[in-house]
Parts: sequence; C-alpha cells; structure tokens
Amino acid sequence: EAGVVQSPRYKIIEKKQPVAFWCNPISGHNTLYWYLQNLGQGPELLIRYENEEAVDDSQLPKDRFSAERLKGVDSTLKIQPAELGDSAVYLCASSEGRGTEAFFGQGTRLTVV
Amino acid sequence: DAKTTQPNSMESNEEEPVHLPCNHSTISGTDYIHWYRQLPSQGPEYVIHGLTSNVNNRMASLAIAEDRKSSTLILHRATLRDAAVYYCILRDSTSGTYKYIFGTGTRLKVLA
Repeated sequence: EAGVVQSPRYKIIEKKQPVAFWCNPISGHNTLYWYLQNLGQGPELLIRYENEEAVDDSQLPKDRFSAERLKGVDSTLKIQPAELGDSAVYLCASSEGRGTEAFFGQGTRLTVV
Repeated sequence: DAKTTQPNSMESNEEEPVHLPCNHSTISGTDYIHWYRQLPSQGPEYVIHGLTSNVNNRMASLAIAEDRKSSTLILHRATLRDAAVYYCILRDSTSGTYKYIFGTGTRLKVLA
C-alpha cells in the first residue's frame, strides 16, 4: 500500500515568490495534517482537516499561508509571498480518523533565497 | 496542552537494550502517551502508544509509571537503523483537537 505522497521533495525559490506543496494521503484516511519542521526542532502543526473541513488552523499564518483539501482527498499548501524565514521542511500526515495513528510523508524541503 | 520532557541525546551500543525516558508530570487522565521516531531525511513514524498499562509491539515496549507522570520507551536490541530522533507526545482523547504536539525529542546514537 502506498504511503503518504508529497511533492516536490525539494524546492528552491526566491523570496516574495509563491510556492505550493501537494499531498496525497493514504486512501481512506479522513484526517489530514500539515506540519512545519525547522532544523533541529520537532514538527509544528499548521492545519488539520477532517475530510474537506479545516477543523484546526489556529497555527496557520493566514496572511501568507493558505491550504485547501478539495473533495476531502488531496491537499495543497500554498505560501504567497514566501519569506526567508519560511525555509523549512513541510510535512503532510494522514490518519483514518481522530485519535488514530498518523502516517507521515517524507516532506518537502523549502529553501527561500 | 500537557508538555513532555526528554533528554536531548542518548547513546547506545548496538545489540544492547535502550531505555528512552520521558517525563510528563502534568498529564491528565485522558491523555494517551504516544511515541514517534524520525529517521534522517524522513517524516516521523509511529512507534507505540498507551494509556495506563505497559504495551508491547514488534518495534518496542512502552513502560508507563503507575502515577503516569513518566514513561520509558524500550528498544530491546538496538540496531544501527534505530538511530533517530524519538518523540514522546501526549494526545488528549477528549478535547476534540486530536493533534500531536511534538517537542524536540531525544536523538539516539547507536554505536557499532
């Protein structure tokens, strides 16, 4: 069974440019998470979806970050415009439902120059 | 959200048992204790979780103190592939948030 798939694996952009990350969760998983991980730190939750509804986006910087999960399957996380401080690894995870084991993708490493 | 405290790093010799401690003195009665690990350049992966009783699976064992203020992840025979950052996480089962709050974890180094 395929795991959580994220693309791209790596992305280098200039500051002020837009960028988008894509996540395909495990089939049948209703819950989807986006995390941000800075170097040497643990992942920090940005947003959590239950099906297509964003139920926890309190940590998402809404002035420049946006996310969507159309039809409750794939999800896209966007940054516009990117800043130097956005350089990090962006992780997507999914689970069957609330309270169950989460499966993480390999992440997208973003470098803003 | 309740917090956990872990040592920044630990070392172990290959094929020896490893005990990774975690303190969670503010744990509530409905918090589950989860452990995840993150191998280099990978996303975190689930290891084990428990509520009150000790738990065993193919990867590890979880020993939970009687007062639940601490727990220990036990790797019975460390291998070089177990070198990773191990995260101890509390997950509230009743608040409806169901989110994992990661700390900085313990970086385990396995010596050949």
